[in-house]
Amino acid sequence: AQSVAQPEDQVNVAEGNPLTVKCTYSVSGNPYLFWYVQYPNRGLQFLLKYITGDNLVKGSYGFEAEFNKSQTSFHLKKPSALVSDSALYFCAVRGNTNAGKSTFGDGTTLTVKP
Amino acid sequence: DTEVTQTPKHLVMGMTNKKSLKCEQHMGHRAMYWYKQKAKKPPELMFVYSYEKLSINESVPSRFSPECPNSSLLNLHLHALQPEDSALYLCASSQDGTSGMNTGELFFGEGSRLTVL
Repeated sequence: AQSVAQPEDQVNVAEGNPLTVKCTYSVSGNPYLFWYVQYPNRGLQFLLKYITGDNLVKGSYGFEAEFNKSQTSFHLKKPSALVSDSALYFCAVRGNTNAGKSTFGDGTTLTVKP
Repeated sequence: DTEVTQTPKHLVMGMTNKKSLKCEQHMGHRAMYWYKQKAKKPPELMFVYSYEKLSINESVPSRFSPECPNSSLLNLHLHALQPEDSALYLCASSQDGTSGMNTGELFFGEGSRLTVL
């Protein structure tokens, strides 16, 4: 079975400060890892993914994520937060033996205050 | 703007009604999905179509009936729903089907918000 944990329900940061949203995973085989963002009353939007290669992945809107195999983590980061980054963030994993089924974390609400 | 289009955006129905949710994508994706999402919760997978064939049914009650008329369209037929079925229903697509190395990200529509009275 595959699983994702997002240990923080809520993350609060001040505008201009760096942000980190944490994600750890469990999966058989090599993981395919994703971050999605959901704004109020909208669908989910893809931010970035790790499939293979460099452990630091860059994505949309200045976000990046670092894959750490030994810690089974895939934390989302941004050097300087914007108020408009406030949203619900989901980490997801898909194992390479379970094609078609992504497992989502419970989500982390990011609030960036001016 | 999303490239997956869902209609209607809002739907209110009684427990005896029959209605349908529709989803369309023109990205050439061969896998399409239905998810159910409650407020501030992660999306829950309901169905997956790969190359227009149903490949995954997550033990969804039969009052939900999916249909994939062609590679661009996905429907979800609703009948005799319960109030607890009220939720945001999300359609998604991805580049490859489930047969093989599907490493692609999901492209979601904006969802259909369903209220069952």
